[in-house]
Amino acid sequence: QKEVEQNSGPLSVPEGAIASLNCTYSDRGSQSFFWYRQYSGKSPELIMSIYSNGDKEDGRFTAQLNKASQYVSLLIRDSQPSDSATYLCAVNSGGGSEKLVFGKGTKLTVNP
Amino acid sequence: DTAVSQTPKYLVTQMGNDKSIKCEQNLGHDTMYWYKQDSKKFLKIMFSYNNKELIINETVPNRFSPKSPDKAHLNLHINSLELGDSAVYFCASSQMTGGNQPQHFGDGTRLSIL
Repeated sequence: QKEVEQNSGPLSVPEGAIASLNCTYSDRGSQSFFWYRQYSGKSPELIMSIYSNGDKEDGRFTAQLNKASQYVSLLIRDSQPSDSATYLCAVNSGGGSEKLVFGKGTKLTVNP
Repeated sequence: DTAVSQTPKYLVTQMGNDKSIKCEQNLGHDTMYWYKQDSKKFLKIMFSYNNKELIINETVPNRFSPKSPDKAHLNLHINSLELGDSAVYFCASSQMTGGNQPQHFGDGTRLSIL
């Protein structure tokens, strides 16, 4: 069973701090990695995708990928209360498979 | 304009009934998906279709039957509803098939079985 693991949290950070969200995956063949944000009662919203080792920055968000360690992370700089949500890590299951496997999500709370 | 739209948004029904959920996307995508998110917020794929062809059929009871009349629509019919079917069902789409494609989600259908 190919798995994606996330710390369920909750993760609580003060406004303006850096929030760090982590994800590990079991399938070494995985090639595509996504972070989704889900507000309570809403649908998942894609915020970042990353396909190669290293960092990818988009505004206040930075995704980091280390395939050797099977680890992907999301950093949120200058965290805002509006960033409070559940963050879902999703990984393609590799080997040409067509599907994404989601982690159970990390709940982030940014305190004013 | 809503990119991926599902109807109904809420569905409350009795155990044993049959119900359908509809999904439409106007993004021009080739691939559509159904996901189930349970009470613990775990999001798990059920089915995917690429241009009306079934691609993924996870271990889902055969009471669940997807139908794709065209590549812009993917409906989900559920027979003999059970208490354990209570969940949020999300439709999603991506430009092409393949796990490397970002997926765009609809607003979800909240199904409650009494």
